[in-house]
Amino acid sequence: QKEVEQNSGPLSVPEGAIASLNCTYSDRGSQSFFWYRQYSGKSPELIMFIYSNGDKEDGRFTAQLNKASQYVSLLIRDSQPSDSATYLCAVVTSGTYKYIFGTGTRLKVLA
Amino acid sequence: EAGVAQSPRYKIIEKRQSVAFWCNPISGHATLYWYQQILGQGPKLLIQFQNNGVVDDSQLPKDRFSAERLKGVDSTLKIQPAKLEDSAVYLCASSLQGSEKLFFGSGTQLSVL
Repeated sequence: QKEVEQNSGPLSVPEGAIASLNCTYSDRGSQSFFWYRQYSGKSPELIMFIYSNGDKEDGRFTAQLNKASQYVSLLIRDSQPSDSATYLCAVVTSGTYKYIFGTGTRLKVLA
Repeated sequence: EAGVAQSPRYKIIEKRQSVAFWCNPISGHATLYWYQQILGQGPKLLIQFQNNGVVDDSQLPKDRFSAERLKGVDSTLKIQPAKLEDSAVYLCASSLQGSEKLFFGSGTQLSVL
């Protein structure tokens, strides 16, 4: 079982729609969860982090965490073509505090 | 504030040759990471340093890869000898203490022919 799993996509949504990206993780003791965006040929950049169960909103982005289900998601409201990128889920594991990334989900927002 | 510096930006070598990458993290950042990102995949953690100690290197192919972080500041990653499957982007990142936002360098794109 991979430590952090994501559907590789591509996930295609029309402009203005809600994009929903999902991630599961294997280490039940993990405490820190992150979403990074990576444009083609560029390095990842942080867009959201969440530490507690529930929802966290920042502008058009909402991160959701369910530790019991070992599940974290990212919602992007009013999706724009500029949101087209790969979205990477990252988890800091318990114990050694390794910073592990998933394989990423490629999002395409269609104009 | 200066970002994470990496060099070189690009490197092309033949298989069985050696190569080294350099990274200078943001000043004051205790944690430094080296990731390997193969095209179409997520970043794979190769080694994680806390100051000049190794936190995790479980996925570093130690028969050919080595890394060091002298004086808890900058770091080098070496591959010797390189294989075709080492072709990837090598990303260096740093964070203040770990468990929070990572700041990434521009990466080194390695092509092994």
